[in-house]
Amino acid sequence: DAGVIQSPRHEVTEMGQEVTLRCKPISGHNSLFWYRQTMMRGLELLIYFNNNVPIDDSGMPEDRFSAKMPNASFSTLKIQPSEPRDSAVYFCASARGSRGTDTQYFGPGTRLTVL
Amino acid sequence: SQKIEQNSEALNIQEGKTATLTCNYTNYSPAYLQWYRQDPGRGPVFLLLIRENEKEKRKERLKVTFDTTLKQSLFHITASQPADSATYLCALDMWAMNTGFQKLVFGTGTRLLVSP
Repeated sequence: DAGVIQSPRHEVTEMGQEVTLRCKPISGHNSLFWYRQTMMRGLELLIYFNNNVPIDDSGMPEDRFSAKMPNASFSTLKIQPSEPRDSAVYFCASARGSRGTDTQYFGPGTRLTVL
Repeated sequence: SQKIEQNSEALNIQEGKTATLTCNYTNYSPAYLQWYRQDPGRGPVFLLLIRENEKEKRKERLKVTFDTTLKQSLFHITASQPADSATYLCALDMWAMNTGFQKLVFGTGTRLLVSP
């Protein structure tokens, strides 16, 4: 059974460029989460979807960040324009249930470096 | 404000000893608490969940306690092995007052190093 799949695993880009991160959740899971992890702030929830609908996006830093979930098996997190302070590891996670607090299964992450 | 605290300093122990990691929280009463393991370059992996009405939970060499009076959870690994070396994160369910939704909030984690 495949786990959560994220791509790319590494992304290096220049300031001002658009970055798109992709996630495929575990089949049958109803909830999907995007997190950002840095040394300073730890693991922070950016946005969470339930049944493809955004439920809580209060963690999205600013308008440069947007997330979509067009169907149950795919989600994207886009940063436009990217800035050096966006450099972090971005994780996608999915959960069986509908609550934001259900046990979550994480992908391997995308390490983003913005120069 | 609500806060979760884990010891930011790495915990170094010898193989075979019991490792004990601490998770403290303030200004909140979670219904349950989860522990995750994270290896370098990988995403966190769920280990155990303990509810507020449970004092202790065990799974193989792992034991978690939850003291709602002290607002603290302890995570124990008995007979530790070098393969247990990783960062361990606690996570609590919290109400986000600004949105009205519940979400998991993670501590910053404690790195455990088990030497042979």
